[in-house]
Amino acid sequence: GAGVSQSPSNKVTEKGKDVELRCDPISGHTALYWYRQSLGQGLEFLIYFQGNSAPDKSGLPSDRFSAERTGGSVSTLTIQRTQQEDSAVYLCASSLGARASQPQHFGDGTRLSIL
Amino acid sequence: AQTVTQSQPEMSVQEAETVTLSCTYDTSESDYYLFWYKQPPSRQMILVIRQEAYKQQNATENRFSVNFQKAAKSFSLKISDSQLGDAAMYFCAYDNAGNMLTFGGGTRLMVKP
Repeated sequence: GAGVSQSPSNKVTEKGKDVELRCDPISGHTALYWYRQSLGQGLEFLIYFQGNSAPDKSGLPSDRFSAERTGGSVSTLTIQRTQQEDSAVYLCASSLGARASQPQHFGDGTRLSIL
Repeated sequence: AQTVTQSQPEMSVQEAETVTLSCTYDTSESDYYLFWYKQPPSRQMILVIRQEAYKQQNATENRFSVNFQKAAKSFSLKISDSQLGDAAMYFCAYDNAGNMLTFGGGTRLMVKP
């Protein structure tokens, strides 16, 4: 079956612009996660959705970052008024359920470059 | 808060040889899961192997095995019969609640032909 799909694959934008990154999880997966990977670094947790519960936004670095998940499926991560430090690869993952026993399956990520 | 540390930024191994990647973590929890993910240049994080903390037996997946030392909070990955396709970034990760993975900083593995 299809894996986690992210779009666009690459995004280049000017500082100050808003960007939207999309994630389409594996069908049937109720949990969805966003991570950020800066150059040469490990992954940093941003936000997590589980079913219809309120999302865990504890990892969002500032109020310029927000995310939605519509209909329990597709998610959009929005970054407003982008800054150069926002340049990174943004990875989305999904899992069958929000339990540590359920492994997370990752997409290929979106490489965001802020000029 | 949980932390995961990978002390080897880079490792290299000769093709067909064995290499061990180190990982240590810090947690006050007793039940949790540990993972090794591989990230090739394509960027996708691929699950290599996972270990449940309450299981004493070390997990194995073909050429990949772990040495899990719960008391020492150590979780190393052994790759046997290394292949050129094993070259990638390897990340150790921790999860106890299912709401997020905590990752180490990664180890870049190079495989020499």
